Amino acid sequence: KQEVTQIPAALSVPEGENLVLNCSFTDSAIYNLQWFRQDPGKGLTSLLLIQSSQREQTSGRLNASLDKSSGRSTLYIAASQPGDSATYLCAVRDSGAGSYQLTFGKGTKLSVIP
Amino acid sequence: NAGVMQNPRHLVRRRGQEARLRCSPMKGHSHVYWYRQLPEEGLKFMVYLQKENIIDESGMPKERFSAEFPKEGPSILRIQQVVRGDSAAYFCASSPRGPLDGANVLTFGAGSRLTVL
Repeated sequence: KQEVTQIPAALSVPEGENLVLNCSFTDSAIYNLQWFRQDPGKGLTSLLLIQSSQREQTSGRLNASLDKSSGRSTLYIAASQPGDSATYLCAVRDSGAGSYQLTFGKGTKLSVIP
Repeated sequence: NAGVMQNPRHLVRRRGQEARLRCSPMKGHSHVYWYRQLPEEGLKFMVYLQKENIIDESGMPKERFSAEFPKEGPSILRIQQVVRGDSAAYFCASSPRGPLDGANVLTFGAGSRLTVL
């Protein structure tokens, strides 16, 4: 059974800092991995999707890497801003026919202090 | 394009009552997924539906919970005889293609927050 762990559970940084969020998963047989952002009272916003054959994806100030063999992914946020404050969720989809489910971590709650 | 619309956003029920949560997928999306987020927990998959069909309900409790996605109208998640442990945020997501499409990205709604007194 796939399990996804995110460390740290919460993180507080001053504005302008670069930061790294970590995600680990127990079963390396994944189809893809996705990073989401969750704002209070709102839905999830997909940030980056990395296929199992890819090593990283970039979007603006965000860069996500994937090391499938070691079961790890990192989300790098450059030059953090107060608007980046949110909970960041990592989710994996297992490989294999009939695997529809995303397995989510509990998230990292990020606070960027002005 | 209004995105994935869920209603009600907040629902309060007493133990034993029924809860009905609705999800209207994005225009052109025929695949719907329901997830539940318990307090201090990650989102957990409940059910995957296409129009008029339940494809995978392996994450849904066997009793009291049911889901449908009729030919016309929104998808409905129904919880009968609610208990306090059902208090959670219920998220709906939709996609234009099936999950085996590698580029398929789910669009999530804002969620429905159920509180059982």
